[in-house]
This record gives sequence, structure tokens and C-alpha cells, in this order.
Amino acid sequence: GAVVSQHPSWVICKSGTSVKIECRSLDFQATTMFWYRQFPKQSLMLMATSNEGSKATYEQGVEKDKFLINHASLTLSTLTVTSAHPEDSSFYICSAVTVENIYGYTFGSGTRLTVV
Amino acid sequence: QKEVEQDPGPLSVPEGAIVSLNCTYSNSAFQYFMWYRQYSRKGPELLMYTYSSGNKEDGRFTAQVDKSSKYISLFIRDSQPSDSATYLCAMSAPRGGKLTFGQGTILTVHP
Repeated sequence: GAVVSQHPSWVICKSGTSVKIECRSLDFQATTMFWYRQFPKQSLMLMATSNEGSKATYEQGVEKDKFLINHASLTLSTLTVTSAHPEDSSFYICSAVTVENIYGYTFGSGTRLTVV
Repeated sequence: QKEVEQDPGPLSVPEGAIVSLNCTYSNSAFQYFMWYRQYSRKGPELLMYTYSSGNKEDGRFTAQVDKSSKYISLFIRDSQPSDSATYLCAMSAPRGGKLTFGQGTILTVHP
């Protein structure tokens, strides 16, 4: 079945530095990638939607300059958290959509970011 | 009012019990309904996907959709300790469009 590989699975960084999270679709082409953020014991909150080759669409309240999303190819999308602060500590999850999968959505395994 | 409401629980049941999980929604544009299971610190995995009112069964899982009442359910029969996880309902308007999730229900099945 469709697999999305997300790396790293966890990362600790210092406040003020940037962190890049990658999501790769291993055996299919992801026409759309969704990026979510999840706080402990809370649901997934959509941050942005990206389509290959075009700029991401951010949800209201999400800082586009802070959370940079690149979807340069049909198999790779990245989320860069710039100038990270402790309040950015969270669980980040990507989800890929392909027209080949009628069920639509394949999720990555998530990245736990801790900013110290 | 949230577009999707889901009782966060927690829900604790004995092994072998039938579990009922529910979500209500307010947006009549939602046409595709999903149930995901999420283990701690993992990404969600799809359990059930439906797009029409009625029941859909897959093994121990049954998904039920009532569009007229804007209500969806997931039933788990013969629950197992390995079913202990957070269960999330999700729905979308166009197929492949952005998902709106419920808050998630924390389920514990004890031996």
C-alpha cells in the first residue's frame, strides 16, 4: 500500500535555530500534501496544504514565514520551522494525497519537535 | 461551535466489549467520512472510509453514517487490548480535500 516516510521522527533543537522535516511518498506520487500540528491529547490541526510546484496555502493563524513549506516534487515535501521557539514544540504530521488512492490520505509517522 | 464534535472520553472497557464511538458534524458539505486510529506518538492509520449513509463492515469494525442527522459512528466488536488507542473521526467535502478532524476519543481496553 501507499507509504509516506517522514523524517526525522524526533528532533531537539535550540531556540532560534531552524528545523527541517521531510515527507516522502515512497511508492506513489503525492499530488497534494497536508501538514498538521498536534499538541498532547489534542486532535490534528491543519497548518497548510501544498500542491506540487505551487505555493502552499496556509490556514488562518499559521505564520507562513515561520513554517516554510516546499513541495518541489511529487514525492517530496518539506516543512521548515524557522527561528524555532519553545512554543513551537509539538508533534508534526504530514499527509499525502494521490489520485491513485481513492481513500485519499496516507499519513506519515510524525515528527516530535522539542525546542529548548 | 466546532464543525466536528467528538467526545474525547476517556473510554475504558473490558476485553471483549463492544465499543461505540461517535461524531456529529454541522457542515452539510461533508461527503466523505473516515475513522482513524492513532497510537501514541504515531501518525494516524485509516480504519474505515465511507461516503454514503448506511453501514460498512470490515472485520470487527463497523462504520455507520447518517447524513440526515449529521452523525457518524464506529463500532468495534470483541475489543482487544491492542485496540487501545486514540480514535479520530475525520471528514472532507471534496474527495482528497482537507480533512476536518474530531477531537479524538481515547480508548483503553483492559484485559
